[in-house]
Amino acid sequence: KAGVTQTPRYLIKTRGQQVTLSCSPISGHRSVSWYQQTPGQGLQFLFEYFSETQRNKGNFPGRFSGRQFSNSRSEMNVSTLELGDSALYLCASSLEATGEQYFGPGTRLTVT
Amino acid sequence: SQKIEQNSEALNIQEGKTATLTCNYTNYSPAYLQWYRQDPGRGPVFLLLIRENEKEKRKERLKVTFDTTLKQSLFHITASQPADSATYLCALGSGGSYIPTFGRGTSLIVHP
Repeated sequence: KAGVTQTPRYLIKTRGQQVTLSCSPISGHRSVSWYQQTPGQGLQFLFEYFSETQRNKGNFPGRFSGRQFSNSRSEMNVSTLELGDSALYLCASSLEATGEQYFGPGTRLTVT
Repeated sequence: SQKIEQNSEALNIQEGKTATLTCNYTNYSPAYLQWYRQDPGRGPVFLLLIRENEKEKRKERLKVTFDTTLKQSLFHITASQPADSATYLCALGSGGSYIPTFGRGTSLIVHP
């Protein structure tokens, strides 16, 4: 089976801009989660989508949003970018029964 | 508040020795605990899951223990190799939650 894919892999944006990241889960996985990883805060949960509905949400401001399509692909959007949004954004898909998270390679976002 | 603690200092060991990493938690009653491996610039890779009613789990050279009384999990890699060098993350999940909470990870460096 193909793994989780994320695009783009690298992105440089300017403060105030917005960005959309994309994630394709493993075939058959209906749950897609997004995480932000920084050296200072570690891996932090943003939100989880299941069957096109946001099922869980972490403690991030409303500038961070997401959606899931009928084919389980997911997008994450960050509006009004801030310098502190520079991070590795990871998408993970999972089979509900086990909770094991299968991560993609991540998108490295740099905000200047 | 819930806290997951992993040693922030890197663990340096010689090839062939057993590496032991620790994950401690407080204010948490996890139903399961997972261990992941993460290489620089890449997404974490799931290694093992152990449930609250299990004391120990093994997979090839890996062994995980889970002590709910001590609120601690130990992760062992026997006959370690330089290729085992990576950051290892533990993650805890509550019953009914498919979204684990991650620790910040411990870096393991295996010297030839």
